[in-house]
Amino acid sequence: KAGVTQTPRYLIKTRGQQVTLSCSPISGHRSVSWYQQTPGQGLQFLFEYFSETQRNKGNFPGRFSGRQFSNSRSEMNVSTLELGDSALYLCASSSPSRGAKGNTIYFGEGSWLTVV
Amino acid sequence: AQTVTQSQPEMSVQEAETVTLSCTYDTSENNYYLFWYKQPPSRQMILVIRQEAYKQQNATENRFSVNFQKAAKSFSLKISDSQLGDTAMYFCAFSISYNQGGKLIFGQGTELSVKP
Repeated sequence: KAGVTQTPRYLIKTRGQQVTLSCSPISGHRSVSWYQQTPGQGLQFLFEYFSETQRNKGNFPGRFSGRQFSNSRSEMNVSTLELGDSALYLCASSSPSRGAKGNTIYFGEGSWLTVV
Repeated sequence: AQTVTQSQPEMSVQEAETVTLSCTYDTSENNYYLFWYKQPPSRQMILVIRQEAYKQQNATENRFSVNFQKAAKSFSLKISDSQLGDTAMYFCAFSISYNQGGKLIFGQGTELSVKP
């Protein structure tokens, strides 16, 4: 079974630009969540999508947005990039069932974003 | 609000010895999940072990085991027979069960070095 796949793995953007990151969850997983990891703030939850609907949202400005498609693939977008948006963006998927592996969250390898 | 605290920023252990990483959390919820994730230098977030709060029995996965003390809100990770490949950043994480399964609250991490 393929794991969580994120693209692109590395990218460099200029301040003021916008960026779109993509995530394909594990087959059968309907929940996709996004996290930002920085040395200063650690791992912070951005948002979660389930069945194409945003179910949870972290404390990030409106420049950060996301969406989920009918095949559970998800994208996140950051508009008007700032230097502080440089981070590792991690996508995760889970199957929110009550089974033995329910609610276990699996991560992709991440997308490294550098804003210059 | 839920919080997760890892009080040991760095730890080291000799190869083949045992080490325990500490984690405490705060929540008013009764049903939740706790996780330990490992993040090696590759930055891939790897699930180490998972514990469901309603289960009194401590989870074990090969050389990894937890000491879950629900009343004390403590969730420590014990690594037995430490191996060089265990060198990584370890994160303790918490999620409320089921309908918020994709939202993880992370601690700040403990950087573990296994020395030969």
